[in-house]
Amino acid sequence: RKEVEQDPGPFNVPEGATVAFNCTYSNSASQSFFWYRQDCRKEPKLLMSVYSSGNEDGRFTAQLNRASQYISLLIRDSKLSDSATYLCVVNTPTGNQFYFGTGTSLTVIP
Amino acid sequence: GAVVSQHPSWVICKSGTSVKIECRSLDFQATTMFWYRQFPKQSLMLMATSNEGSKATYEQGVEKDKFLINHASLTLSTLTVTSAHPEDSSFYICSAWTGLYYYGYTFGSGTRLTVV
Repeated sequence: RKEVEQDPGPFNVPEGATVAFNCTYSNSASQSFFWYRQDCRKEPKLLMSVYSSGNEDGRFTAQLNRASQYISLLIRDSKLSDSATYLCVVNTPTGNQFYFGTGTSLTVIP
Repeated sequence: GAVVSQHPSWVICKSGTSVKIECRSLDFQATTMFWYRQFPKQSLMLMATSNEGSKATYEQGVEKDKFLINHASLTLSTLTVTSAHPEDSSFYICSAWTGLYYYGYTFGSGTRLTVV
């Protein structure tokens, strides 16, 4: 089983829609979780760190569900500029290794 | 804060030559640097983990003699692609843990290598 699994999509949604991505992880002792965004031919950039209590940044909400071992990213009121690949990242308990999901491709359509 | 500077951004080289890619952490110390490769429309693939002052740890299937990694200081790690071939053409990215959960892992801007 992979350390981190993500639905690759693609997700094609109209502008203004709400879209959610999930990412499951296999190691229950994982401590740190992140969502990254990668635009075509660019490096990944941190979108949000995921806190145990969940966190929100504008239109973006990240949640952690330890019981079911997944993290989620919710994007409200999608914009064309949200089109990108979204990667979840999970750290190992030792902290010195982390795993990327394969990424979920999102295209927001006018 | 927490920036990793990577260069060159892109390089074209002849088959058989070697290419060195540098990653520097500008405002933090990177004890560990991660090196990734990404082919078009594919996900990032971890190649190796570079630890300051010790030998790098390579992922299965990655040739350590072909991809030489040096991490001589807390702010600099280098990846050298030796005797490059066209199949080595890819996007190479480094990443480091910033030490702060707020910043997470930060990435270099990537190096697009084309071997002709």
